[in-house]
This record gives sequence, C-alpha cells and structure tokens, in this order.
Amino acid sequence: DGGITQSPKYLFRKEGQNVTLSCEQNLNHDAMYWYRQDPGQGLRLIYYSQIVNDFQKGDIAEGYSVSREKKESFPLTVTSAQKNPTAFYLCASKGRDYNQPQHFGDGTRLSIL
Amino acid sequence: RKEVEQDPGPFNVPEGATVAFNCTYSNSASQSFFWYRQDCRKEPKLLMSVYSSGNEDGRFTAQLNRASQYISLLIRDSKLSDSATYLCVVTLTNAGKSTFGDGTTLTVKP
Repeated sequence: DGGITQSPKYLFRKEGQNVTLSCEQNLNHDAMYWYRQDPGQGLRLIYYSQIVNDFQKGDIAEGYSVSREKKESFPLTVTSAQKNPTAFYLCASKGRDYNQPQHFGDGTRLSIL
Repeated sequence: RKEVEQDPGPFNVPEGATVAFNCTYSNSASQSFFWYRQDCRKEPKLLMSVYSSGNEDGRFTAQLNRASQYISLLIRDSKLSDSATYLCVVTLTNAGKSTFGDGTTLTVKP
C-alpha cells in the first residue's frame, strides 16, 4: 500500500540528547512537511521541502534540523537546543499541484525522560 | 490576526442534529481549501476538498465564499462517530505550504 511511514511511534529523549524522527513516503510526492502539535493545540509547521536537496524553515524551526537527500525521505532531528520537545510530531507529503491535499503519517510522540 | 481562524467550540450536539462550522482566511490569494478530521491522539485525515461551486459527500457539504473569505462545513444527521476535531486548511497558489486552522471540536451525544 502507498503511504507515509513515521517511526518510531513513541520516543524518549534524555537531556542534552539529539534524536531523529524518521519519515518515509512511497507516494512519489515532491513536497514533504514536519509539524508539531501540542495537547489541545493546532498544527505548527517546523520545516518543509518542495524538492530534493532543498528545504525551508517553517514557523517554529529553532531547535530542529532536517535533510532531504532522497525524495522518499525527510528525517527530522530534534536537537538539544529545543528545550521543550515534548509533543506529537506529524510528517506529511503532497503532490506537486497546489490543489492537492497533504497526506499524513500516523505521528511520533516524543517525551522527555 | 491569524491567517486561518476557526471557532474552537466545543460544539455539543445530539445525534441526528445538523451542525455547521465556519473557517475564515485572511489572504484573498488563497486558492485551495480542505477540511480534515482529527481524532484524539491520531493524525489528521482528509475529509473533503472544497470547490468553488460547493460540494457534497454523503452527509457532509462544503461551501466556499470567496467574497467574504470563508469556507464552511455542514454535517447533517450527526452520528456518534462524527465526534472529532475538524481542521480547515488553506493554500496559496504558489506557496509551498498550507495553513491549518486550530480546529473545531465536535461532540455528538446519544
């Protein structure tokens, strides 16, 4: 089945540690996105990429980094500079046309140990 | 002012009721519009796209009013399973990103 796979489903981070969240899609989509969602809140855009080897900061990029070396993959690293990383992280992808909707993976829950 | 605004609710309605949500957007250059549904602790899932002429999918009807810059979602004959948070999404033509509203929470009660 085509879709977006995020892993792991749950992740725990120690103080001072960097962690990487995986996002893989086999939908042949050009654009990929990372969002953060805090309890009872909406989605906030962290980073997005419209094409391989290119990405842009979203609204809350500080403390995060990404790479886009392959079309299928858009990993997100939560660095130790992100002081409040506990949240639900969602990855999405979209086809090239502006009128296409985004499709989401089932998310990663990150918590501080 | 937020780019996309939704009434957060919550909307509490009995089964069988008709309920409507509005979503306003600030950028008149916005070109594509969607409604998503998000269940508690799950990812958002596409409910329906919103077309200029309005569109219907079973009990769900979406409307776009470009003059007043809002989209709406009407749910008829509400079911218990309709309980969720409904997100509206707006995209500019040449923007690489979309803007999500914070969502409207619906609870359908027996």
